[in-house]
Amino acid sequence: EADIYQTPRYLVIGTGKKITLECSQTMGHDKMYWYQQDPGMELHLIHYSYGVNSTEKGDLSSESTVSRIRTEHFPLTLESARPSHTSQYLCASSEVGRPGYTFGSGTRLTVV
Amino acid sequence: AQTVTQSQPEMSVQEAETVTLSCTYDTSESDYYLFWYKQPPSRQMILVIRQEAYKQQNATENRFSVNFQKAAKSFSLKISDSQLGDAAMYFCAYRMNRDDKIIFGKGTRLHILP
Repeated sequence: EADIYQTPRYLVIGTGKKITLECSQTMGHDKMYWYQQDPGMELHLIHYSYGVNSTEKGDLSSESTVSRIRTEHFPLTLESARPSHTSQYLCASSEVGRPGYTFGSGTRLTVV
Repeated sequence: AQTVTQSQPEMSVQEAETVTLSCTYDTSESDYYLFWYKQPPSRQMILVIRQEAYKQQNATENRFSVNFQKAAKSFSLKISDSQLGDAAMYFCAYRMNRDDKIIFGKGTRLHILP
């Protein structure tokens, strides 16, 4: 079944560690997005990509980086995790000509 | 800049009753899309309903319907015959026609009382 997958679902990690949050979709969508959802549940766009080798920063400044080497894969990396990075990270994709996103299940990150 | 405002942080409704969630937005665009998304606890965010701004007819999806007032920039969601499975965070969202990025409101947490 076509869908969008995020791993891990939950992650607890120590300060200073490097982490990569995985996001993959099997729908062939060109456009992908990363949102950070704060404890108050508000969603902030931190990165987006409109195709392979194309990435842009979103409205909320983030210390994370992303890459888009393959259409289906859009990982997010934190080089040195800090407690301020504790949040839920949602990945989404969209299809040209069909407004709206398909979301993954999210990764809940806790940095201790 | 476009903004989306949900003035009700939390709401409660009795099972089988009807509830309306409010949303207002601000934009200078004439062509755009509006959405309601549902995020159940610890589960995937899903699209509930979508409205195209150039369509005057209000969108409906089974028990979910919207009241779209373009001049007032208002986009409320009505849930009829509320069910326990409707308990979730509901986000109102906006997207310009010429840009795929979606702006979300802060959400309304809906509780269903048995």
